[in-house]
Amino acid sequence: SQKIEQNSEALNIQEGKTATLTCNYTNYSPAYLQWYRQDPGRGPVFLLLIRENEKEKRKERLKVTFDTTLKQSLFHITASQPADSATYLCALGRWSGGGADGLTFGKGTHLIIQP
Amino acid sequence: DAGVIQSPRHEVTEMGQEVTLRCKPISGHNSLFWYRQTMMRGLELLIYFNNNVPIDDSGMPEDRFSAKMPNASFSTLKIQPSEPRDSAVYFCASSLISSGANVLTFGAGSRLTVL
Repeated sequence: SQKIEQNSEALNIQEGKTATLTCNYTNYSPAYLQWYRQDPGRGPVFLLLIRENEKEKRKERLKVTFDTTLKQSLFHITASQPADSATYLCALGRWSGGGADGLTFGKGTHLIIQP
Repeated sequence: DAGVIQSPRHEVTEMGQEVTLRCKPISGHNSLFWYRQTMMRGLELLIYFNNNVPIDDSGMPEDRFSAKMPNASFSTLKIQPSEPRDSAVYFCASSLISSGANVLTFGAGSRLTVL
């Protein structure tokens, strides 16, 4: 069955450093991968999407890599700030010809940026 | 747009009672998703609709769960009868497929506690 693994333990990073989160998957051939941020008591919020034919994507302080051979995505936050503290979820999806297809989510990694 | 609107935000009920969760998707979005989130299992896809038509309900745990989407601006998720193991946060999300990729906008969630 499909499996998505993210670091289950909280990740503690000092402010100003780069935080790197990992998403590994098995038994799945995604067409694209997404990263979401979730704050306590709120729904996940979309951050970035990277397609299977893309190696890297950047948005401001965020960078995502996607290696379909290793079946892994890395999510980087550079110059991290306490406001970046949250749970980060990766999600896999396939291209849809007509309508949407449901995304499969990992359980998320809780990131704590220490001031 | 006010985003995806869910109600109620919190629901506490007793085992055996009927529970109805409501969702208003973003206007213009043509796909709607119901997810359930728990610490143990993370975000699980229950059911999704394209253009108000249920496409995949294989994630619905059992016959006690049902979902409807009578029109493009409203959906319900019903649990009857409810059980303590149904306690979770239920999220509704909507999307408009763009270039084949499915990017979800989530509501704030409905936290259900079944005693």
